[in-house]
Amino acid sequence: GAGVSQSPSNKVTEKGKDVELRCDPISGHTALYWYRQSLGQGLEFLIYFQGNSAPDKSGLPSDRFSAERTGGSVSTLTIQRTQQEDSAVYLCASSLVGGNTEAFFGQGTRLTVV
Amino acid sequence: QKEVEQDPGPLSVPEGAIVSLNCTYSNSAFQYFMWYRQYSRKGPELLMYTYSSGNKEDGRFTAQVDKSSKYISLFIRDSQPSDSATYLCAMRDDYKLSFGAGTTVTVRA
Repeated sequence: GAGVSQSPSNKVTEKGKDVELRCDPISGHTALYWYRQSLGQGLEFLIYFQGNSAPDKSGLPSDRFSAERTGGSVSTLTIQRTQQEDSAVYLCASSLVGGNTEAFFGQGTRLTVV
Repeated sequence: QKEVEQDPGPLSVPEGAIVSLNCTYSNSAFQYFMWYRQYSRKGPELLMYTYSSGNKEDGRFTAQVDKSSKYISLFIRDSQPSDSATYLCAMRDDYKLSFGAGTTVTVRA
């Protein structure tokens, strides 16, 4: 597709369950970001992938959060043992390269932990 | 103090008015500046992307960057009800984007 694609659009899960969120970036984009947007808050950086370089994981809030990017394309964000405070919109963005190019966002995955 | 400060509003204007939005920042290393528009329950959509100080115009939108004052602005001329959204400023020095909290704008018909 032409844009960044995320799935699922919405996810409701029970506290303590694991969830996987998927991001399919724009074809050819080597940089990929995950951000989190909580209600009424700005976007919080989670993790950054650039090509085959080691990812910048400095924004991951706890060791329950992990992400991988296979083949330099699709990325999966995994949240283990979900908590209610994990409820938020998880946004993925990609850009042609990491530095001086525009970043385009997907529609996000709205995660609700009940 | 946050790296990027943005008044969350809300801001309500009549149709046809000029909407003025702004952000201040503290990190002098920021080089690239963006404005995103986000409709309810949608992802942020890139509106404007600027690198240097000065003005950049795209249709009804004008972005201004003043690096000496660490201040950026977005102006929307002839505002329309369809411009009702949350506007987020963002900036980066290397690869990491830092965002403002977003300003919610309502344009009244």
